[in-house]
Amino acid sequence: QVQLVQSGAEVKKPGASVKVSCKASGFTFINYGFSWVRQAPGQGLEWLGLISAYNGRTDYAQKLQGRVTMTTDTSTSTVYMELRSLKSDDTAVYYCARDLGGQPGDYWGQGTLVTVSS
Amino acid sequence: DIQMTQSPSTLSASVEDRVTITCRASQSFSRWLAWYQQKPGKAPKLLIYEASSLESGVPSRFSGNGSGTEFTLTISSLQPDDFATYFCQQYNTYRTFGQGTKVEIK
Repeated sequence: QVQLVQSGAEVKKPGASVKVSCKASGFTFINYGFSWVRQAPGQGLEWLGLISAYNGRTDYAQKLQGRVTMTTDTSTSTVYMELRSLKSDDTAVYYCARDLGGQPGDYWGQGTLVTVSS
Repeated sequence: DIQMTQSPSTLSASVEDRVTITCRASQSFSRWLAWYQQKPGKAPKLLIYEASSLESGVPSRFSGNGSGTEFTLTISSLQPDDFATYFCQQYNTYRTFGQGTKVEIK
């Protein structure tokens, strides 16, 4: 069955970086794209960007341009999201989601809580 | 960027009520609009894609409609399991979510 399993919770200090992983199984990895979405405590959903597992092409939300990098490892069917220069308002649950153009977000990871605190 | 304005932000309703949530877009597009349901502590669940296509396994009481700048999600007969928060998402240009609508018990 389709599964997206994310890495565990992280606690980081302001200015540090975090790298969250999302391991896919149950489908042909390179046929899909993957979005990253975050949700600050008690807030709505914020789209961070999208990566194609086929060719590595990325599209990032303008707000995070320059601070975020998304990559894939096709040998392990894993997607990564790195966020740099962390600030307190980056504290959120980060989700990966399978994203196939016409049918985005049909499967989601379980979420990874990233806490930024001094 | 396309902005999505969702209304209402909170909706109080009773079981078996018909409820409608609206999403308005800052720019017109045809059908690249999805709806999600989210429960506390859980990842969002896809309900509707391409504005009106029902995701596999989603009950038929959920329906989506619209094109251009106005899109709606309708629950024809609200069930106890439907009390949750709902989000729209445009994927015509990158992706943008609406602010969410919390459906609570009246």
